[in-house]
Amino acid sequence: KAGVTQTPRYLIKTRGQQVTLSCSPISGHRSVSWYQQTPGQGLQFLFEYFSETQRNKGNFPGRFSGRQFSNSRSEMNVSTLELGDSALYLCASSTGDRSYEQYFGPGTRLTVT
Amino acid sequence: SQQGEEDPQALSIQEGENATMNCSYKTSINNLQWYRQNSGRGLVHLILIRSNEREKHSGRLRVTLDTSKKSSSLLITASRAADTASYFCATVPRSNDYKLSFGAGTTVTVRA
Repeated sequence: KAGVTQTPRYLIKTRGQQVTLSCSPISGHRSVSWYQQTPGQGLQFLFEYFSETQRNKGNFPGRFSGRQFSNSRSEMNVSTLELGDSALYLCASSTGDRSYEQYFGPGTRLTVT
Repeated sequence: SQQGEEDPQALSIQEGENATMNCSYKTSINNLQWYRQNSGRGLVHLILIRSNEREKHSGRLRVTLDTSKKSSSLLITASRAADTASYFCATVPRSNDYKLSFGAGTTVTVRA
């Protein structure tokens, strides 16, 4: 099976702009989760989608949003970018059962200048 | 906020030695997972241990879980240079929330 893919891999944006990141899960996986990783805060959970519905949400401002399509692919959007949004954004897919592991993509490195 | 805390933050060992790292967490869990991350790349799942399990093995990895102390340990035996990475524990809560809460990680350096 192909692994989790994320596009783009690298992105440079300017403060105030918005950005959309994409994630394609492993075939057959219905759950997609997003995480933000920074040196200061570590790995932080953003949100999780299961069958096109947001099932869980972390403690991030409303500027961070996401969606999931019927083919389980997911996108996350960050509006009005701030310098502090510079991070590695990781997507993970799973079957959706809490008892099973998540499979991570390589991440999208976002730099906000 | 992070659920788990790893100890130590960093570890440097000689090739062939064993590496042990610990994770403590705060709330009741459904399971605890260990992941490895190489140099800012994606995370690789290593092992999952359920709350009703006390020990689990996978190749050179051994994980223990003590739910009474809310702690887990990861042992890597006979370490290799390729084991150089950051290791994270992550917990899935007993509640209906489906999310991984990660610790800060332990950076392991294996010297040749």
